[in-house]
Amino acid sequence: NAGVTQTPKFQVLKTGQSMTLQCAQDMNHEYMSWYRQDPGMGLRLIHYSVGAGITDQGEVPNGYNVSRSTTEDFPLRLLSAAPSQTSVYFCASSGRTGGREQYFGPGTRLTVT
Amino acid sequence: SQQGEEDPQALSIQEGENATMNCSYKTSINNLQWYRQNSGRGLVHLILIRSNEREKHSGRLRVTLDTSKKSSSLLITASRAADTASYFCATTDMDSSYKLIFGSGTRLLVRP
Repeated sequence: NAGVTQTPKFQVLKTGQSMTLQCAQDMNHEYMSWYRQDPGMGLRLIHYSVGAGITDQGEVPNGYNVSRSTTEDFPLRLLSAAPSQTSVYFCASSGRTGGREQYFGPGTRLTVT
Repeated sequence: SQQGEEDPQALSIQEGENATMNCSYKTSINNLQWYRQNSGRGLVHLILIRSNEREKHSGRLRVTLDTSKKSSSLLITASRAADTASYFCATTDMDSSYKLIFGSGTRLLVRP
């Protein structure tokens, strides 16, 4: 299993541009989430999904959009990039069984100029 | 806002020594988890302790939970240089066992 994969690894955007960060998992997990991590800080939850067709907002949802059309994929869209969205973005997934520990992807480092 | 505060923010120890990190949180929880993050990498799950448990072990890791004080500690025994990383606690609350709220982390440096 590849686990949780994220693309791209690095991205530079200009202010006002839009883009989609991709996240996929091959563990048949129903729960997926997006976090951002700013320097020297923990992770903050952006959006999450408890199954295909179901999404909800986390702590810092403004400026981001998500959809979940399949169990495997959970893309994160930046609608109009701002310098404040410069961060490292992590996708994670979790299954129904076990303690609900989450499996994280390697991250996407985004810079908005 | 972040649920947890971790203490200390940074810790430097000699290889072979024990490392203790503390986490405090604000609301009632379903479980508390500890994660490790190597520099520039994703997070790796270490251990989970449920709200009705007081202590849990996994290899060189020992986690305690005191729900009356809303605090947890992570002890790494006989530390190795490879343990150098940032360590985060994260909690799930009673309403949602999926949503993780992270603390700000402890940066551990283990000197060879």
